[in-house]
Amino acid sequence: DAGVTQSPTHLIKTRGQQVTLRCSPKSGHDTVSWYQQALGQGPQFIFQYYEEEERQRGNFPDRFSGHQFPNYSSELNVNALLLGDSALYLCASSRDGGLTYEQYFGPGTRLTVT
Amino acid sequence: LAKTTQPISMDSYEGQEVNITCSHNNIATNDYITWYQQFPSQGPRFIIQGYKTKVTNEVASLFIPADRKSSTLSLPRVSLSDTAVYYCLVGDSDYKLSFGAGTTVTVRA
Repeated sequence: DAGVTQSPTHLIKTRGQQVTLRCSPKSGHDTVSWYQQALGQGPQFIFQYYEEEERQRGNFPDRFSGHQFPNYSSELNVNALLLGDSALYLCASSRDGGLTYEQYFGPGTRLTVT
Repeated sequence: LAKTTQPISMDSYEGQEVNITCSHNNIATNDYITWYQQFPSQGPRFIIQGYKTKVTNEVASLFIPADRKSSTLSLPRVSLSDTAVYYCLVGDSDYKLSFGAGTTVTVRA
């Protein structure tokens, strides 16, 4: 049983560019959450998707957007990249049971903005 | 936004019990308290989750008082491989998710 998978593993972008990160949830999971983790800090909640809709959102600007597909996979899009967007982006999946119910994390995508 | 507070670091020796407390004063009334372990350059790994009282699984115990404004993760008989950062995760009354800053646990031989 595959766990949560994310692609790509690493990514280097230039300021002002746009990026799309992808996540496939663990089998049987229908809820996907995205987090940003800067070096040396805890993960910061970006948003959560359930039934193809954004259910909750953290304190991130509209440059951060997402999508969930009918097969429950998800994308995170970041527009107009800033140097401060450099971080590890984590995807977590769960069976819907509440906002924090048993989330399983992928390995993350390391984004570097130059 | 919920604010969770944990100790920055804790040191222990192999075979000892480690207890990490997380304060979460603004926790949502109907959401869980979850603890994760994270190694460098990896995603957090689910350890244990609870709503109230005590929960135990094969790797840890979680103690939650009646007011749910804090929780304590207990790791029995730690080993060197338990050296990691430990996070608590809660949802606040506005249904925003909040990770703590994490507790770096260092286990020494």
